[in-house]
Amino acid sequence: KNQVEQSPQSLIILEGKNCTLQCNYTVSPFSNLRWYKQDTGRGPVSLTIMTFSENTKSNGRYTATLDADTKQSSLHITASQLSDSASYICVVSAGDDKIIFGKGTRLHILP
Amino acid sequence: DAGVIQSPRHEVTEMGQEVTLRCKPISGHDYLFWYRQTMMRGLELLIYFNNNVPIDDSGMPEDRFSAKMPNASFSTLKIQPSEPRDSAVYFCASSPRHTSKGYTFGSGTRLTVV
Repeated sequence: KNQVEQSPQSLIILEGKNCTLQCNYTVSPFSNLRWYKQDTGRGPVSLTIMTFSENTKSNGRYTATLDADTKQSSLHITASQLSDSASYICVVSAGDDKIIFGKGTRLHILP
Repeated sequence: DAGVIQSPRHEVTEMGQEVTLRCKPISGHDYLFWYRQTMMRGLELLIYFNNNVPIDDSGMPEDRFSAKMPNASFSTLKIQPSEPRDSAVYFCASSPRHTSKGYTFGSGTRLTVV
């Protein structure tokens, strides 16, 4: 069964600290993996997209990693800012155009 | 480009009433998706269209839900009759020809059925 599991469910950190969000998937055949940021009351916005051959991709203070062997991805946020408070959703696409969403990690940045 | 435009932003209706949600995708995007988001279940794909044709509606919860895409620039999601358990945020998203290019989401319609 195609599944995407994210952890932790929620996370609270102080401004300026780093954090790492996890995404484990059981999707076959794998096509690509995306991380989205969703601010409260808004639609998700794409942060990164990674294909099978990519191990790391950065977007400013956001760095995503992908281990296709263990079927794990992580999103690392460096020097967090208050504006990073949001939900982060991992989305995996299967080769037949199936799209599987994780339930997201709710990140709270405290001043 | 103004992005994916959804209307209304908020909708409050009484149980049993008909609700119509609207979406204008980004011009040139061949795929259009309708999603529902709740705290309990996260984002769920309801239905998606390719070149105005419904491809997969297996996520539509029941016959009370219907979606149409009469042309490339407009789609509707209709709930008739609405029930309190339909309360959620409904998102529309569009993407270019190949889904690996990524999706652009609208700002969503927050539906409350009382």
